[in-house]
Amino acid sequence: SSELTQDPAVSVALGQTVRITCQGDSLRSYYPSWYQQKPGQAPVNIFYGQNIRPSGIPDRFSGSSSGNTASLTITGAQAEDEADYYCNSRDSSVNHWVFGGGTKLTVL
Amino acid sequence: QVQLQESGPGLMKPSQTLSLTCAVSGGSISSSSFCWSWIRQPAGKGLEWIGRICASGGTEYNPSLKGRVTISMDTSKNQFSLKLNSVTAADTAVYYCAGQWDLPDHFDYWGQGTLVTVSS
Repeated sequence: SSELTQDPAVSVALGQTVRITCQGDSLRSYYPSWYQQKPGQAPVNIFYGQNIRPSGIPDRFSGSSSGNTASLTITGAQAEDEADYYCNSRDSSVNHWVFGGGTKLTVL
Repeated sequence: QVQLQESGPGLMKPSQTLSLTCAVSGGSISSSSFCWSWIRQPAGKGLEWIGRICASGGTEYNPSLKGRVTISMDTSKNQFSLKLNSVTAADTAVYYCAGQWDLPDHFDYWGQGTLVTVSS
């Protein structure tokens, strides 16, 4: 089965750029989707497909993918971006979906 | 705007069968554009996809749940349901229902989540 690996924690200074990565074999075949989750709230989709940002998501969020690694980039991080971020992808061998372990982003 | 609302028991005993329902409003669960998933999150941990049902009635499940899961839909009530057999303390989690677009693949709509605690 496929796994998606994320760094458990990342920090960024206010206004700076941060990249959150997601690695897994399934990413060679499928684009991931990305989710932001704040404490006590349901996840929110913030990026998906090759280059799609849902309506209402600030354009400081962007995504990219190459080989077995996908990245979510926040350009000019804001205090409100402090949250947990999860990647998700279809498993490349069977029809099920897997989430990365999540990255806790701290904005300093 | 599609909205989802989970409902079910908050507290269960080990070996019982968990039953949760997700009511969908603002859209039809029969829409061929969507599949409907259950996702759970133990306290302080990450998200785990449980399974999904699509408008065709076809289902797919996380192999790690070893055949304990059944997802069904009731188009007359515009809702879908989760049954998880033989629960243990390890099944204690917040359970979310979600609407998933297939192309491109992503979970677009989420319920607020419901906490299920398994304890003797």
